[in-house]
Amino acid sequence: DIQMTQSPSTLSASVGDRVTITCRASQSISSWLAWYQQKPGKAPKLLIYKASSLESGVPSRFSGSGSGTEFTLTISSLQPDDFATYYCQQYNSYSPLGAFGQGTKVEIK
Amino acid sequence: EVQLVQSGAEVKKPGESLKISCKGSGYSFTSYWIGWVRQMPGKGLEWMGIIYPGDSDTRYSPSFQGQVTISADKSISTAYLQWSSLKASDTAMYYCVRQLDIVATVDYWGQGTLVTVSS
Repeated sequence: DIQMTQSPSTLSASVGDRVTITCRASQSISSWLAWYQQKPGKAPKLLIYKASSLESGVPSRFSGSGSGTEFTLTISSLQPDDFATYYCQQYNSYSPLGAFGQGTKVEIK
Repeated sequence: EVQLVQSGAEVKKPGESLKISCKGSGYSFTSYWIGWVRQMPGKGLEWMGIIYPGDSDTRYSPSFQGQVTISADKSISTAYLQWSSLKASDTAMYYCVRQLDIVATVDYWGQGTLVTVSS
């Protein structure tokens, strides 16, 4: 089974900061990685697919990079609306079904 | 407009059975996989299983195999998640999701169904 590990678990940052979240896969997943944003009480929302492709309607301050086993999500200038929890998801292989990382909560510093 | 509309919140006692639903609209229900994702209070996202309503092909994550049943009625564009005997540890938010393939990004999420199991 492919395991996904995110770091850090929690991140404290200020509006305007550049923020980077890392996601590591236990084996190569090529570029089959997605990032989701979840706000309290809401369903997650797709931000990035295929490691670096921005979903339609997502602000350009979000970007993704990486391939193989190491990936990053970067927010170039953190906005008040960006305080949320972020999850990575691999969709390279079936086992387990599109495993999610454990999440990274971005908090106000 | 694509929508996944889930049934409302439930409060149940341990040992009771439950079936929650997810109705798809605005797309060809039989052409996409419908998955179920659990989120326990304050915790992350966990895949439970997935079904292809076109032919009812169903897969379960190992942690949920035998614990829940996933089904679909394509005549009414609705997928289901059911338990035969709930436990307190089943207390969680449950999301249905849509994806194009068995392993793919999730492009649409239901609004979630909160299940509370308490004596």
